[in-house]
Amino acid sequence: DVKVTQSSRYLVKRTGEKVFLECVQDMDHENMFWYRQDPGLGLRLIYFSYDVKMKEKGDIPEGYSVSREKKERFSLILESASTNQTSMYLCASSFAGDTYNEQFFGPGTRLTVL
Amino acid sequence: DQQVKQNSPSLSVQEGRISILNCDYTNSMFDYFLWYKKYPAEGPTFLISISSIKDKNEDGRFTVFLNKSAKHLSLHIVPSQPGDSAVYFCAASPLYGNKLVFGAGTILRVKS
Repeated sequence: DVKVTQSSRYLVKRTGEKVFLECVQDMDHENMFWYRQDPGLGLRLIYFSYDVKMKEKGDIPEGYSVSREKKERFSLILESASTNQTSMYLCASSFAGDTYNEQFFGPGTRLTVL
Repeated sequence: DQQVKQNSPSLSVQEGRISILNCDYTNSMFDYFLWYKKYPAEGPTFLISISSIKDKNEDGRFTVFLNKSAKHLSLHIVPSQPGDSAVYFCAASPLYGNKLVFGAGTILRVKS
């Protein structure tokens, strides 16, 4: 079974703190994704990585950065957390290819910024 | 501008009846469509998909219909079961694409 794990299920941080969210997948997938899920807005893509050290901005990259030093690990960084970044963060991974390949999701991290 | 729209935030259905969840899209470059199901405190899981070359795909109790001319797809669940209660996300991907665009989701409640 494909497994995507996220470092924390729940996280509470203070405004201005630097926050690291970690994601690890065990299926040797080339692609990894970070989304945030908000009520009424669905899942919105923050960043996407298609290879080690490669990244591409998604629809809402402002206030976030990412790091992919190893194929299995994709980190989301909030340089200076703000209250409007309180959300559910979801990591996903998939094989690369010419056509769409299914994305497998982790359980999510519920981040609260006070 | 939302490219994938799920206009019904919630739907309530009696156990055993049919659930119909709807999704509209605006981007004609979308070529592949999916439905994901999400329980609280879990990540979304893939449910069923359809390519733009088809108009119907069936998997057990789940059927997805695609109307390309109307840019509309729907998910039918029959018969509905209480365990189907979850948030359902419609998503779309362009040809040769690896990314998904998601709708806002529809909360389905199946009453026993």
